[in-house]
Amino acid sequence: AQTVTQSQPEMSVQEAETVTLSCTYDTSENNYYLFWYKQPPSRQMILVIRQEAYKQQNATENRFSVNFQKAAKSFSLKISDSQLGDTAMYFCAFWGDFGNEKLTFGTGTRLTIIP
Amino acid sequence: DTGVSQDPRHKITKRGQNVTFRCDPISEHNRLYWYRQTLGQGPEFLTYFQNEAQLEKSRLLSDRFSAERPKGSFSTLEIQRTEQGDSAMYLCASSFGRLDEQFFGPGTRLTVL
Repeated sequence: AQTVTQSQPEMSVQEAETVTLSCTYDTSENNYYLFWYKQPPSRQMILVIRQEAYKQQNATENRFSVNFQKAAKSFSLKISDSQLGDTAMYFCAFWGDFGNEKLTFGTGTRLTIIP
Repeated sequence: DTGVSQDPRHKITKRGQNVTFRCDPISEHNRLYWYRQTLGQGPEFLTYFQNEAQLEKSRLLSDRFSAERPKGSFSTLEIQRTEQGDSAMYLCASSFGRLDEQFFGPGTRLTVL
């Protein structure tokens, strides 16, 4: 079974600064997918970014980018030019290959953007 | 399309009572997932459906829990003989296919007294 670890329970950063959230995972699978989800206070969880393990190129979505290190089983999220609306819980999640088709989430990082 | 909806949003019940939650996925989404999220934790997978077929159930889903998705549309999650440990947020998500983005609903917060 896979595990996902987020070692930063809380982080805060000044508006417009850059912040990096850490995530490590453990799996014996070779084909899998990794995700970052955002859960704003009292709002629905939404997908921020996803990375296919077979792709070496790091995924980027506007201000959000990842640093995917497959050998180290590390998957960090970088938020550039942070905005007040980025305040939320951020969850790293793992999706396995056939037969392991479910999201496994980490415990989350509470990110606060300070005006 | 208004997204994934869940009903009720909040449920308070006494220990030992039965509760049922409903999830309406985005139309034409074939997959529907149920997760449970306790305070300070990430969501934990409970079960999922491909159309009307329930394809996987987590060990977390004891025999007091049952889920259905008749006709491959909405889904219900029933908890029988609720216990205080069942208090959590129950999240529903849907996706078109296996590797497509999962869209989450707002959740149903269950409090068992």
